[in-house]
Amino acid sequence: DAGVTQSPTHLIKTRGQHVTLRCSPISGHKSVSWYQQVLGQGPQFIFQYYEKEERGRGNFPDRFSARQFPNYSSELNVNALLLGDSALYLCASSPMGGNEKLFFGSGTQLSVL
Amino acid sequence: GESVGLHLPTLSVQEGDNSIINCAYSNSASDYFIWYKQESGKGPQFIIDIRSNMDKRQGQRVTVLLNKTVKHLSLQIAATQPGDSAVYFCAETINNAGNMLTFGGGTRLMVKP
Repeated sequence: DAGVTQSPTHLIKTRGQHVTLRCSPISGHKSVSWYQQVLGQGPQFIFQYYEKEERGRGNFPDRFSARQFPNYSSELNVNALLLGDSALYLCASSPMGGNEKLFFGSGTQLSVL
Repeated sequence: GESVGLHLPTLSVQEGDNSIINCAYSNSASDYFIWYKQESGKGPQFIIDIRSNMDKRQGQRVTVLLNKTVKHLSLQIAATQPGDSAVYFCAETINNAGNMLTFGGGTRLMVKP
C-alpha cells in the first residue's frame, strides 16, 4: 500500500512568489494535516482538515492556507513568500482525525531565495 | 504556550547497548504521546504511542514509559543497531486536539559500531 505522498519533493522560489504543495493521504484516511519543519527543529502544526473542513489551525499567518478535496487529497498554499518560509513541509494523514496514529510523508523541501 | 522538550540533543551509544531517550512535557492536560524517528531526508516515522491511562507500553525492541507525576516520557531501545541512528522526537496532544501534535526539538541518536 502506498503511504502518504507529497509533491514536489523539492522546490525553489524567490521572495514574494506563491507556492502550492500537494499531498495524497493513505488510502482510507480522511484527515490530512500539514506541518512545517525548520532545519534542526521539530515539526510545527499548521493545519488539519477532515472531511474537507478545517479542524485546526496553528500559529501561522494568513499567508498560509489549505484545502482538502473530495478524494481527501490536500493542497497547502503559501503567498508572498519570505526567506523564513524555507523549510520542510510535511503532510500527515490519519483515519479519523482524532488522537490516533499520524503517518507522515517525506515532505516537500522549500527553499526561498 | 505549552511545549514538549528533550533533555539531551545528542546521544551516542555502542552497538548492542540499550538506549534511553528522555522527554519532558509541560502540558498536564496532554493525554496522548507519540515517539517518532526521523532519518535524513525522510518524514517522521511512527515508533510507538501511549495514552495517559497507561504508564508503560512495549513494542518490538522499544518501550515507552510515561510518568505523569513528573510529566516525563522516555523511549527505551533494546540492543541498539546502526539502523537506529536517527533523530527521535516525542510529541504530545490533548483529547480534543485532533492531529495537532506538539513536537519537542529532537534527540539525535548515534550508534557506534
